[in-house]
Amino acid sequence: ETGVTQSPTHLIKTRGQQVTLRCSSQSGHNTVSWYQQALGQGPQFIFQYYREEENGRGNFPPRFSGLQFPNYSSELNVNALELDDSALYLCASSLPSGGPETQYFGPGTRLLVL
Amino acid sequence: AQSVTQPDIHITVSEGASLELRCNYSYGATPYLFWYVQSPGQGLQLLLKYFSGDTLVQGIKGFEAEFKRSQSSFNLRKPSVHWSDAAEYFCAVGANNAGNMLTFGGGTRLMVKP
Repeated sequence: ETGVTQSPTHLIKTRGQQVTLRCSSQSGHNTVSWYQQALGQGPQFIFQYYREEENGRGNFPPRFSGLQFPNYSSELNVNALELDDSALYLCASSLPSGGPETQYFGPGTRLLVL
Repeated sequence: AQSVTQPDIHITVSEGASLELRCNYSYGATPYLFWYVQSPGQGLQLLLKYFSGDTLVQGIKGFEAEFKRSQSSFNLRKPSVHWSDAAEYFCAVGANNAGNMLTFGGGTRLMVKP
């Protein structure tokens, strides 16, 4: 069974640029959630995708957007990068059951915005 | 809205000593509770979860946690800590009416003295 994978592992961008992060869900999982973890803090929920539709969103501005593809992989796009966007971005996959299910996390993508 | 508090930012214990990490949650209904562990530069690994039933749950690596509704707590315990347990520990709560969105505490960093 393949776990959750994310790419790239690290990247550096400058303020104002755009970035795309990628996630492949665990085998059989059709729900993907994205979290932002700033240094020294717990992860914060950005949004979730289920069947290619956004299925819940945290307190993040519209410049954070996402996609889910038919194979359940997902992308997180961030436009107009700000210095505060520097963080570890975590992807998690799960099975939908009508209630909370266990989320399995990938290793994350560390983004540095200069 | 749900919230999680982990009162201890840092804890240091000696190898072989017992461990208890505190977690308090705020949620109006029955919570779904999780403990995750994060090693430096890594993603989150699930230690254990509570959905319903027996309030004492067993997890991996010898960890256990007890759900106490009257105290709104879900403390993590281990009878004998190993040096490899040094990591950051996160408590999280999921809500049945919010899909798979998890709300995390700020984390507790565990250091183990030889």
